[in-house]
Amino acid sequence: NAGVTQTPKFQVLKTGQSMTLQCAQDMNHEYMSWYRQDPGMGLRLIHYSVGAGITDQGEVPNGYNVSRSTTEDFPLRLLSAAPSQTSVYFCASRPLAGEWKETQYFGPGTRLLVL
Amino acid sequence: QKEVEQDPGPLSVPEGAIVSLNCTYSNSAFQYFMWYRQYSRKGPELLMYTYSSGNKEDGRFTAQVDKSSKYISLFIRDSQPSDSATYLCAMSARSNYQLIWGAGTKLIIKP
Repeated sequence: NAGVTQTPKFQVLKTGQSMTLQCAQDMNHEYMSWYRQDPGMGLRLIHYSVGAGITDQGEVPNGYNVSRSTTEDFPLRLLSAAPSQTSVYFCASRPLAGEWKETQYFGPGTRLLVL
Repeated sequence: QKEVEQDPGPLSVPEGAIVSLNCTYSNSAFQYFMWYRQYSRKGPELLMYTYSSGNKEDGRFTAQVDKSSKYISLFIRDSQPSDSATYLCAMSARSNYQLIWGAGTKLIIKP
């Protein structure tokens, strides 16, 4: 199992550009989420999904869109990048039931710099 | 005031020392408490999970919850250089619910 994979590892954008951060998991987890991590702020939830076709907003959704067309993939789209979106982005997944439903599995992260 | 407070450190201790990492929280409804470890430039990974109050031990690691004081701790015995990482606490009020995260404490174990 590859677990949770994220691409790209690092990206530089100019203000106003758009891009998609990719996330995939091969554990058949229903729940997937996107976080951003900034110094001194901890992890903040951007968007999450409890299954294909179902998405919802987290704590800091403005400027980001998501979709969930399959169980495996959960891309995050930045519509018009701003310097305030410079951060490290983590995708995570977990099952909704069973012994491991409280365990989030994280990807390696995408470092985004917006100039 | 943040819902979950965690000293960012860094906390630097010699190899073999006992380490105590802590989080305080304000929401008395929190019942599920977790500690995640995050190595540099990696994603967090679950280290310990505790429901409600009490202690839980796993090898060199002990998680402790004091709900009356709204305080959780992670103890590391016989600390090793490989324990150097950032430790994040996370908690939620209900099972299968969104987590509220601390900012993380950076721990450095000196050989």
